[in-house]
Amino acid sequence: EPEVTQTPSHQVTQMGQEVILRCVPISNHLYFYWYRQILGQKVEFLVSFYNNEISEKSEIFDDQFSVERPDGSNFTLKIRSTKLEDSAMYFCASSEGGSSQGPFFGPGTRLTVL
Amino acid sequence: DQQVKQNSPSLSVQEGRISILNCDYTNSMFDYFLWYKKYPAEGPTFLISISSIKDKNEDGRFTVFLNKSAKHLSLHIVPSQPGDSAVYFCAARGFYFNKFYFGSGTKLNVKP
Repeated sequence: EPEVTQTPSHQVTQMGQEVILRCVPISNHLYFYWYRQILGQKVEFLVSFYNNEISEKSEIFDDQFSVERPDGSNFTLKIRSTKLEDSAMYFCASSEGGSSQGPFFGPGTRLTVL
Repeated sequence: DQQVKQNSPSLSVQEGRISILNCDYTNSMFDYFLWYKKYPAEGPTFLISISSIKDKNEDGRFTVFLNKSAKHLSLHIVPSQPGDSAVYFCAARGFYFNKFYFGSGTKLNVKP
């Protein structure tokens, strides 16, 4: 069964450093998403991406964040100048679009900012 | 941003009985609703969805009910099994929106 994959599973970084979180969505999906979950809190929407551009973003997704689909398979989230409060689980998701099943989520990357 | 609410943080049910998880929403533009199951340190797993043109959708032991007038949906699990113990999130999407709003989750514990 196709699934969304994410690398790395755990990323530890120093405050102020840049990190890139990587995702490989399900191959025939058209919509891609990043969500995050700070420990003990709800799953929060960050950004959605369709047709090679951002289609929706939340207030959290400021200039510190960027997304890219550098080739036909990868979908990345870049966080510049990381802050302590960026520590969270980051989930990538993808869907075919419309009222179909999903989105389907990857296993997540745990980001720890020290 | 509390457009999707799950007011019960936890629920405990005996194995074999019915589990009912509830979710309320405030935005009448939402037209597609989903339930996810999540284990610690894993991503949410899609369980079942329902479009606003329906009021019920079944998939095996899982049934989702939608009451649009009350802006309420529920997930029924029958019969409940210990392996169902997890956090359950409901989520909603509006037709013109390309993002999904999540509730805060309900932790289900199914006791053997």
